[in-house]
Amino acid sequence: GIQVEQSPPDLILQEGANSTLRCNFSDSVNNLQWFHQNPWGQLINLFYIPSGTKQNGRLSATTVATERYSLLYISSSQTTDSGVYFCAVSLSGTASKLTFGTGTRLQVTL
Amino acid sequence: NAGVTQTPKFQVLKTGQSMTLQCAQDMNHEYMSWYRQDPGMGLRLIHYSVGAGITDQGEVPNGYNVSRSTTEDFPLRLLSAAPSQTSVYFCASRAAGGPDETQYFGPGTRLLVL
Repeated sequence: GIQVEQSPPDLILQEGANSTLRCNFSDSVNNLQWFHQNPWGQLINLFYIPSGTKQNGRLSATTVATERYSLLYISSSQTTDSGVYFCAVSLSGTASKLTFGTGTRLQVTL
Repeated sequence: NAGVTQTPKFQVLKTGQSMTLQCAQDMNHEYMSWYRQDPGMGLRLIHYSVGAGITDQGEVPNGYNVSRSTTEDFPLRLLSAAPSQTSVYFCASRAAGGPDETQYFGPGTRLLVL
């Protein structure tokens, strides 16, 4: 099956710093989503981004499908950004069968 | 819209007991799925459905049954719980077709099997 690797596995930032999270995948995909899992365990949709670039406030994401990677940018980080960030992908024609990476655990400190 | 709802939020079972995790969505989504999340890991697909009356297995289906009699509901059944099924279970749904394949997740059910 498709492999999804995320880096770095852990990240500690001071409030106000910027960061880049990476997601590499091993096959062509037609669905790529970024999620934030907050400390209470809730999964929050950040982006649906199988290709191209999107921005939402302090967050932006870029997927280069031909090179099989996606990047999530967090600018001016806040303590509320803490949690685990997951990348998930699915192959063409596989309905809703998402494969998740193991996540990047982010801690933002004061 | 309530989105995707799951009940219960937390459950403790003894080995061998059975139970049903409930999932409902009010967005008229055709696709629904169940995932489990173990500590320090991403989510893994258990079962999924592309419409009422149609279900299929995911990556880790053993020990779980599903059925889909309505568009709104997709219950997950554990027939004989085992400690290895201790996990957090998430239900998800999305619309079929169209340019946006965003999946929406419920709040999760934490299951502890003793």
